[in-house]
Amino acid sequence: GEDVEQSLFLSVREGDSSVINCTYTDSSSTYLYWYKQEPGAGLQLLTYIFSNMDMKQDQRLTVLLNKKDKHLSLRIADTQTGDSAIYFCAETHSSSNTGKLIFGQGTTLQVKP
Amino acid sequence: EAEVAQSPRYKITEKSQAVAFWCDPISGHATLYWYRQILGQGPELLVQFQDESVVDDSQLPKDRFSAERLKGVDSTLKIQPAELGDSAMYLCASSLVLLAADNEQFFGPGTRLTVL
Repeated sequence: GEDVEQSLFLSVREGDSSVINCTYTDSSSTYLYWYKQEPGAGLQLLTYIFSNMDMKQDQRLTVLLNKKDKHLSLRIADTQTGDSAIYFCAETHSSSNTGKLIFGQGTTLQVKP
Repeated sequence: EAEVAQSPRYKITEKSQAVAFWCDPISGHATLYWYRQILGQGPELLVQFQDESVVDDSQLPKDRFSAERLKGVDSTLKIQPAELGDSAMYLCASSLVLLAADNEQFFGPGTRLTVL
């Protein structure tokens, strides 16, 4: 079945690195995404990774994918107070002919000055 | 910068009343999505349109929810009658194509519904 799990809360100090983790159950997952949601706003796509990749880096963001363990992580380097938000991982898979996204429940990142 | 527009931003209603939400996707985006996001959870897809056609409404409670996108542009989501459990954020999103390697879905700000 389709299931995406995330830890609910992470607190870090400004300047530290943040690592947000996600696990998924569907081995046919093809694309995995990280979205950011600020208070009162919609979701913003941060980055995505294909299931045939192990790592993707984009400026301060690093995505690691362990397909064997069905584990996805998002590392934010030099975390800033503006990074405080809820982060959602999401998956879609090749068996879907609609591009439907399955979201985790979100991780609230709190960045302390 | 093009954005997905939604209205109203907030809606308070009493149970058994009818409510309607409106979404205007980014111009040229053929695919439109309605999601429901219950507090503390991730968004869950309710219905997906490709142009004016429904491609996925498997999670839409069809006894009380309806959605339309008559001209393949803007869309309306209706709930009648509203129930207490419908209190949530209703998010609209659009994307350029149905399936793509980088199928970025652009989200609107959402409509926060409170049912009393």
